[in-house]
Amino acid sequence: DIVMTQSPSSLAVSAGETVTINCKSSRSLLSSGNQKNYLAWYQQKPGQSPKLLIYLASTRESGVPDRFIGSGSGTDFTLTISSVQAEDLADYYCQQHYSYPLTFGSGTKLEIK
Amino acid sequence: EVQLVESGGGLVQPGASLKLSCVASGFTFSDYWMSWVRQTPGKTMEWIGDIKYDGSDTNYAPSLKNRFTISRDSAKSTLYLQMSNVRSEDTATYYCTRDGGSSIDYWGQGVMVTVSS
Repeated sequence: DIVMTQSPSSLAVSAGETVTINCKSSRSLLSSGNQKNYLAWYQQKPGQSPKLLIYLASTRESGVPDRFIGSGSGTDFTLTISSVQAEDLADYYCQQHYSYPLTFGSGTKLEIK
Repeated sequence: EVQLVESGGGLVQPGASLKLSCVASGFTFSDYWMSWVRQTPGKTMEWIGDIKYDGSDTNYAPSLKNRFTISRDSAKSTLYLQMSNVRSEDTATYYCTRDGGSSIDYWGQGVMVTVSS
C-alpha cells in the first residue's frame, strides 16, 4: 500500500495569512504514461462531507477559489492556501489515486485565530 | 446536480450483517466507477473499495475484502455495500462516492454505522 504522510496535523492562523500543508507519499504518484501526478486534496468543513479541491496535484476543481494552490510532483506535494479566510476552517486531506488500494493522509485541521 | 444519498445505517450488533444503499442522481450512473469510503470517529479516512461502471469488476482494501461486498444496480442507479460479521472497528461514517478518474469528485452526505452490543 502507498502510505500518505501529511503534516502538520493541525495549525492555527489569522485571517489573511498563508498556510502550507504537506503531503508525502511512500511511492511516486507520477504516471510514466502521461506524466501526471495522481494526488488529490479534499476539504471537509465541520459537519459536512469532504469536497474535492485539487486533483492531478495542481488542477483546481471547478468553483474552487484560486487562493487554493496545489503543487509538487513524485512523492512530495503541497497545498497552499493564500490569504486564508474564516470560511476555510476545515480539515484537509490528501489522497493518492495512483494505485490500489487508494489511500489518504491523516488530515490537517485548520483553525482560524 | 450530482446527488448521492446513502441509507441503511444504524446500530448493529457485533457479528451481524448490514447492507448500505446509495441512490445516485444528476449524472449517468452507468458511466462511472463508484466507491465507498469510510471515516472513523477519530476522522481517519479509509477507502473500502470500488466497482466498475458496468459492475463487471471490483477492487477492495485488502483488510476488508473478505467481509465487505460492493454491488450496483444500474436500473435503480443504486450502489450497495454489504457488510458481514461486523466488528466494533467498523464503526464509522460511510460515504458513497463517485470516481472521477483521477480523484473522488463527489461524496454523499454519509451514513453512520455503529457496531455495539
